[in-house]
Amino acid sequence: KAGVTQTPRYLIKTRGQQVTLSCSPISGHRSVSWYQQTPGQGLQFLFEYFSETQRNKGNFPGRFSGRQFSNSRSEMNVSTLELGDSALYLCASRVMGSGEQYFGPGTRLTVT
Amino acid sequence: AQRVTQPEKLLSVFKGAPVELKCNYSYSGSPELFWYVQYSRQRLQLLLRHISRESIKGFTADLNKGETSFHLKKPFAQEEDSAMYYCALMDSWGKLQFGAGTQVVVTP
Repeated sequence: KAGVTQTPRYLIKTRGQQVTLSCSPISGHRSVSWYQQTPGQGLQFLFEYFSETQRNKGNFPGRFSGRQFSNSRSEMNVSTLELGDSALYLCASRVMGSGEQYFGPGTRLTVT
Repeated sequence: AQRVTQPEKLLSVFKGAPVELKCNYSYSGSPELFWYVQYSRQRLQLLLRHISRESIKGFTADLNKGETSFHLKKPFAQEEDSAMYYCALMDSWGKLQFGAGTQVVVTP
């Protein structure tokens, strides 16, 4: 089975812009979660989607949003980018009911 | 509020020596606990989970509900064990919370 894929792998944006990141889960996995990884805050949960519905949400401002499509692919959007949004954004998929998450390689976002 | 604490940012051990990575948690319900590992230039991956009670790559972890701990142990460290290790707790909603991580460096 192909693993979780994320596009793009690297992104450079300017403050105030918006960005959309994409994640394709493992085939058959209907749950997709997003995490932000930074040296200072570590791995922080953003949100989880299952069957096109947001199931869980972390403590992030409303500028961070996501969605999931009928094929389970997910996108994450960050609007009005701030310098502090620079991070590695990880996507993970799992089979509902299983605690095991399969992670993608991440998208490295740099905000200048 | 749930919390996962990994008190050691860095653990340096010699090859062949035992290694123990500490993880403490706070959670009001029955947690599901995991250890994830990230090797250099590789993606984050599951190492083991408490409910399976198995040993992976020589690592074991026992859930101690009394001490609210889930420490990871290996009797004889190998150089290939050098990596970043994260303890994680999944709540009843399926939300996964990670500790800050422990960088393990195994020197020959």
